[in-house]
Amino acid sequence: NAGVTQTPKFQVLKTGQSMTLQCAQDMNHEYMSWYRQDPGMGLRLIHYSVGAGITDQGEVPNGYNVSRSTTEDFPLRLLSAAPSQTSVYFCASSTPGYTEAFFGQGTRLTVV
Amino acid sequence: KQEVTQIPAALSVPEGENLVLNCSFTDSAIYNLQWFRQDPGKGLTSLLLIQSSQREQTSGRLNASLDKSSGRSTLYIAASQPGDSATYLCAINQAGTALIFGKGTTLSVSS
Repeated sequence: NAGVTQTPKFQVLKTGQSMTLQCAQDMNHEYMSWYRQDPGMGLRLIHYSVGAGITDQGEVPNGYNVSRSTTEDFPLRLLSAAPSQTSVYFCASSTPGYTEAFFGQGTRLTVV
Repeated sequence: KQEVTQIPAALSVPEGENLVLNCSFTDSAIYNLQWFRQDPGKGLTSLLLIQSSQREQTSGRLNASLDKSSGRSTLYIAASQPGDSATYLCAINQAGTALIFGKGTTLSVSS
């Protein structure tokens, strides 16, 4: 009963480095999404997917790429990390309409 | 653009009190509304989901209401306990594809 698994849990990057945050779900959910959570800003949508091969931008997509080649996985790529991307990142999966939404435990990213 | 506002930002109450958390939204054309709980350093857990055609949902000591015409939802917590201490987030599903969150209300219940 893994649910939504995010890796890594913590990461420190240097400015300009690239990395991929992993997100995997075992519930066969079609919908997956990435959010970032910053103090005083709440959770903001980065990218989302409504099925394998289908992705779209959210509120704050700049500096991030996604792809969805399988139903289970939805990785988030940081192309060239910047200090402004220091945040806690959450991945979510759900049934259509978000009638059942599950969130991962988060990845705390620090860019120095 | 849909905006979700939660008031108050923080709330401290003694154990046993009944309390109400508020959520307001600017566009009443919503798919559904959810209340989540977030514990420090943890992910989000869904508490209650209200479909756009519903007025309220109940789970144990929690009751959530929805008034689309006025753009408001409330989360009522009865007989609060120290274990209820957490941040409570309201989220709107407007287009059916992703959620729009408020900034949350951080609740502290003292024993």
